[in-house]
Amino acid sequence: DVKVTQSSRYLVKRTGEKVFLECVQDMDHENMFWYRQDPGLGLRLIYFSYDVKMKEKGDIPEGYSVSREKKERFSLILESASTNQTSMYLCASSSILGRGTTDTQYFGPGTRLTVL
Amino acid sequence: AQSVTQLGSHVSVSEGALVLLRCNYSSSVPPYLFWYVQYPNQGLQLLLKYTSAATLVKGINGFEAEFKKSETSFHLTKPSAHMSDAAEYFCAVRGANDMRFGAGTRLTVKP
Repeated sequence: DVKVTQSSRYLVKRTGEKVFLECVQDMDHENMFWYRQDPGLGLRLIYFSYDVKMKEKGDIPEGYSVSREKKERFSLILESASTNQTSMYLCASSSILGRGTTDTQYFGPGTRLTVL
Repeated sequence: AQSVTQLGSHVSVSEGALVLLRCNYSSSVPPYLFWYVQYPNQGLQLLLKYTSAATLVKGINGFEAEFKKSETSFHLTKPSAHMSDAAEYFCAVRGANDMRFGAGTRLTVKP
């Protein structure tokens, strides 16, 4: 059974703190993704990675960075958390269907982050 | 660029009634389309996907979707709603190396 896990289900941080969100997949997938989900806006892509040490900006990368040192692990970093980063964060992974196209994405349970 | 639009942010049906959730796509290439479901406090789970093999796609939990190129649509249906179907549903289209999601439709099922 495929599995994507995220380090925390709920997280409360203070403004200005550095925040790490961890995601691990056990499917040997090449691609990994970080989204944030806000009511009425659906899922918005923050960053994705198609290989170890490789990363690409998504639609809303400002205020975030990522790290992928190992194939199975993809970390999202909030360098200095702000209240407008309060959101649900979802990690996903997928294999590649040739020529860089992504297959079905598998999602983790999400981390609900509150920044006070 | 590929994109999807979900018509209706909230849909309410009675238990046993037909479920119809609407999705229209925009794509410059033959699209790969997906429907995902999200139950409260959970991640997204794949319901079904269209990959050009057949226009009518059957998924899990009795859901199906029909790809209509002439209407650029990929609507999700279920003949008879169950209370357990209450969730948020997302339509998505595969991009070059990512996925583009709609804003979501919250389905409420009334007893």
